[in-house]
Amino acid sequence: AQSVTQLDSHVSVSEGTPVLLRCNYSSSYSPSLFWYVQHPNKGLQLLLKYTSAATLVKGINGFEAEFKKSETSFHLTKPSAHMSDAAEYFCVVIVSSGGSYIPTFGRGTSLIVHP
Amino acid sequence: DAGVTQSPTHLIKTRGQQVTLRCSPKSGHDTVSWYQQALGQGPQFIFQYYEEEERQRGNFPDRFSGHQFPNYSSELNVNALLLGDSALYLCASSFRFRVGTSNYGYTFGSGTRLTVV
Repeated sequence: AQSVTQLDSHVSVSEGTPVLLRCNYSSSYSPSLFWYVQHPNKGLQLLLKYTSAATLVKGINGFEAEFKKSETSFHLTKPSAHMSDAAEYFCVVIVSSGGSYIPTFGRGTSLIVHP
Repeated sequence: DAGVTQSPTHLIKTRGQQVTLRCSPKSGHDTVSWYQQALGQGPQFIFQYYEEEERQRGNFPDRFSGHQFPNYSSELNVNALLLGDSALYLCASSFRFRVGTSNYGYTFGSGTRLTVV
């Protein structure tokens, strides 16, 4: 069954330093993967998506993610953290079931950015 | 172009009561999915509606039911509310037959915060 595992429940960085949020996936075929961000008391915003095109995916706000089949990973990175990046981040895989496609979420990683 | 609209934004109910949450999908979308997000957790899939029928269901009891209308909008109903039903309820819309191509995607609403006391 398709699933994602977010390896860190919390990641803490200083403003201006790189961000790495880790996600591993489990899938018997090439998955469709997403990263979403959720700011406090807000809905979910799509950061980027991988759908079997280029393995390096660029998203909004300077984020990018690389699909690595050999490592079954889809880690989210950003070269330089900003205070406004503090939020909850979710790695999501699309699960195919009975003709439907269901976004299935990881448990989330809370990104804390220190001044 | 309006995105996904959910109402109400906040709701307080008493244990045992019933609640109805509403969702209007993004223009051009025909499929609606509902999620429950408990505090500190990732969203959990409740069910998905397409062509006014429930197509897939997650691991939720029958107290959770839904409906989709001809204009693709949807309702989530929860009966006999429990304290544990307190959560953010998210609606996501998509266009069914674009799923699986590079053009597809899910758009989420901002959610309804349900508090059961």
